[in-house]
Amino acid sequence: DTEVTQTPKHLVMGMTNKKSLKCEQHMGHRAMYWYKQKAKKPPELMFVYSYEKLSINESVPSRFSPECPNSSLLNLHLHALQPEDSALYLCASSQDGQDDYGYTFGSGTRLTVV
Amino acid sequence: AQSVTQLGSHVSVSEGALVLLRCNYSSSVPPYLFWYVQYPNQGLQLLLKYTSAATLVKGINGFEAEFKKSETSFHLTKPSAHMSDAAEYFCAVSGLATDSWGKLQFGAGTQVVVTP
Repeated sequence: DTEVTQTPKHLVMGMTNKKSLKCEQHMGHRAMYWYKQKAKKPPELMFVYSYEKLSINESVPSRFSPECPNSSLLNLHLHALQPEDSALYLCASSQDGQDDYGYTFGSGTRLTVV
Repeated sequence: AQSVTQLGSHVSVSEGALVLLRCNYSSSVPPYLFWYVQYPNQGLQLLLKYTSAATLVKGINGFEAEFKKSETSFHLTKPSAHMSDAAEYFCAVSGLATDSWGKLQFGAGTQVVVTP
């Protein structure tokens, strides 16, 4: 299994809702990442988990809350989002945080905040 | 800090013509360099990577890139474009610099259009 699976593929949520994005990999990778990508822009790093511990938080607002329950799963909990948070949210994994094998990306969750 | 700059936000090529996408990097230590492709409404797929082994790197779908330290470049080429090569291409860098550990930094991207 060489994939990163993200669910749901599409999500529409109101500004008062609470929702979660899920990411799963079974490649034995020990680093997992959340990226945010706006239209026509490159992905921007949000969070890095290394060996199930949060190692990097790129000054992301607290309405985004990451969670790594185990080495295969990564969640992103969403609460009180703003319309400008609408974007493609990409999950990625790598063998570890300092890695020359490259990063494997999921297909993303297209989030729309209304 | 490490960074990459992609020259040209849009490239139009004829089917069968050479594809050349330019990427220059900035790094205080030898970097790891990557090219990714993104098709509409999809995630990113790794095309190839440079990790301080051979300077000419061959990737998937007929793409290759050459690492030139003297020019701080990592340009992507394909001898003959196919219609299926139409996509967004990102150059990215990661590496051993302390402030870049665990971070994959992307260039702004180059949109490739292939005309018949």
